[in-house]
Formats: sequence, C-alpha cells, structure tokens
Amino acid sequence: DAKTTQPTSMDCAEGRAANLPCNHSTISGNEYVYWYRQIHSQGPQYIIHGLKNNETNEMASLIITEDRKSSTLILPHATLRDTAVYYCIVRVGGDTGTASKLTFGTGTRLQVTL
Amino acid sequence: DTGVSQNPRHKITKRGQNVTFRCDPISEHNRLYWYRQTLGQGPEFLTYFQNEAQLEKSRLLSDRFSAERPKGSFSTLEIQRTEQGDSAMYLCASSFSGAGTGGYTFGSGTRLTVV
Repeated sequence: DAKTTQPTSMDCAEGRAANLPCNHSTISGNEYVYWYRQIHSQGPQYIIHGLKNNETNEMASLIITEDRKSSTLILPHATLRDTAVYYCIVRVGGDTGTASKLTFGTGTRLQVTL
Repeated sequence: DTGVSQNPRHKITKRGQNVTFRCDPISEHNRLYWYRQTLGQGPEFLTYFQNEAQLEKSRLLSDRFSAERPKGSFSTLEIQRTEQGDSAMYLCASSFSGAGTGGYTFGSGTRLTVV
C-alpha cells in the first residue's frame, strides 16, 4: 500500500471547518483513500473513503486532487467531540485477501478548542 | 447488533502468564481482524480471518501469539508467556467481504498491562 504523510497535529476553533491534509504521492490507480479517526481510549472509527471523485457523507467531506496525490478531509463545523487522531490510509479496494488489511500511520492529532 | 464487542476491556497480568482475549464481531461480518496499538502509534496489523480461515499473519505475530476463529463467529487471541513488551491495546475489527471497498468496524479494544 502507498505511504501517506500527515501533519502531526492541528488546532481548530469550535464551529469552524477543520481541513485535514494528506499526501499520498505514490498512490496507484486502484488504491482508495480512507479516513478513520480515533477518539481517546476508543477503537478507530471509519469516516469516509474515495477513489477519485469528491465524497460527502453525514460526517465529513473528502476532496481528492485531480492527480490523486493528495486529499483533504473536511469537518464542516467542528465540535469538541471531534477532538481525535485522524488517520489517512491508502488501500487497494476490492475483495482480495491481501488487499483487505489497513496500514495505519501515526495520523494527525486534531484539537478542537472553544 | 451492538457492534464489535471485546472482552475484557482491561487486563493486568504478571510477566510469564498466559492471557486470552475475545472478540465478537458484527454478526453478518465474515472478516475479522486483530490489531495491536502502543502508546502514540497507530494500530498495527496482526492477523485476519475470513470465516474460520486465518488468511494472513503479520511477522509481529510471534510464536507466542495464536488466534482462532473456530466457527467463523467470535475470535480469541492468546498470548503465551507474556512479556512487558506485549503491553498494548489489542483491537479487533470486522467487515463484510461483499461490501467491496467499505470500511471496518472496530471494537473498543482490550488494554493489556504486563507487570
């Protein structure tokens, strides 16, 4: 799986949009971008994933650049409960066994403040 | 269905003792994964099952570690002769292979402390 690079930490004021960047310059054509987050003392939580089109769900939006070498996770109105470590992961999609696992980096620690 | 359940939540054991953790995945999920997470690091893959078959094991899974999923439902992870370096959070996740590119659901983990 391709390697990802994320900032170690970021701050965001409550109510503002949080924009979390991720670089994945070696991504392959069949690799998806996944985002998970981990709130303290809990297991990681799936947020969103995409291949090349921008995606939006009830939690966040994912913007992938046209060359797919980077992406941004957007939390439109951050709250204190969004304080967590956010992981950007690149993984081959589909059902093949070796493609199934996720490889986590150290992520971005997002601190949402009042 | 209440999600992925892991028991116990916390385990303190003396070095050299054996420990066993249990994971109950979401009932319709046929894939089950074990990860280990140490302080300040992201989760590291250990092994995964599709139904009862163990399809991949990380080199992190030394011969003191064994995982089973006997009936393709719950899974156990056993660590024999524990060492202080085994202290970590052990996470279980499940997914459905037919979901294609969908995400995993993780449990809350079992925190192991070896003293």
